[in-house]
Amino acid sequence: GAVVSQHPSRVICKSGTSVKIECRSLDFQATTMFWYRQFPKQSLMLMATSNEGSKATYEQGVEKDKFLINHASLTLSTLTVTSAHPEDSSFYICSARGGTGGYNEQFFGPGTRLTVL
Amino acid sequence: EDQVTQSPEALRLQEGESSSLNCSYTVSGLRGLFWYRQDPGKGPEFLFTLYSAGEEKEKERLKATLTKKESFLHITAPKPEDSATYLCAVQRGAIRGTYKYIFGTGTRLKVLA
Repeated sequence: GAVVSQHPSRVICKSGTSVKIECRSLDFQATTMFWYRQFPKQSLMLMATSNEGSKATYEQGVEKDKFLINHASLTLSTLTVTSAHPEDSSFYICSARGGTGGYNEQFFGPGTRLTVL
Repeated sequence: EDQVTQSPEALRLQEGESSSLNCSYTVSGLRGLFWYRQDPGKGPEFLFTLYSAGEEKEKERLKATLTKKESFLHITAPKPEDSATYLCAVQRGAIRGTYKYIFGTGTRLKVLA
């Protein structure tokens, strides 16, 4: 139990286009999902917290109009990077709270490598 | 201010050479401390949750312990497949119901055959 998937695993796009990343909890219902960004050899930086059926809570310094988050169901959250630019290139990872581990654990997806040309 | 510090930043061990990774933290209202393993290009893999000082958890060659100020991840007789980055995260009391983590910067472990 507690498996989280992400799609796509890797995406390359041109500057100015928008990219959508999906995060799914496969075998449990996740009332809360989190989106992180990770730069090479650095730790995870929380971008936003997403609760099913409500607006996402963004961390300070994260542009909500740039990174659109939708948590439409208990098993799916999406992150859309709008009008992507090269500086948005990064490794994006989602996590979901719940599953067999307990109430507080977060289970992470495999990540999405975004490259903006 | 809430803070999580991991040391060492990087560690090289010979196969079979036991060692410990440290995670020190300052946080008000600790709800839990979590250890994850992350392989290059992949998402973190959950290892342990510790809730209170004195608690210990074990899994294969790994053992995690917790005090009021720090946690240790002990690796006994490591193998090359234990090579990864080990991340520590703490969770403080809910702020507007978010239950978010504060991550340390990780320890990059390399085990040589």
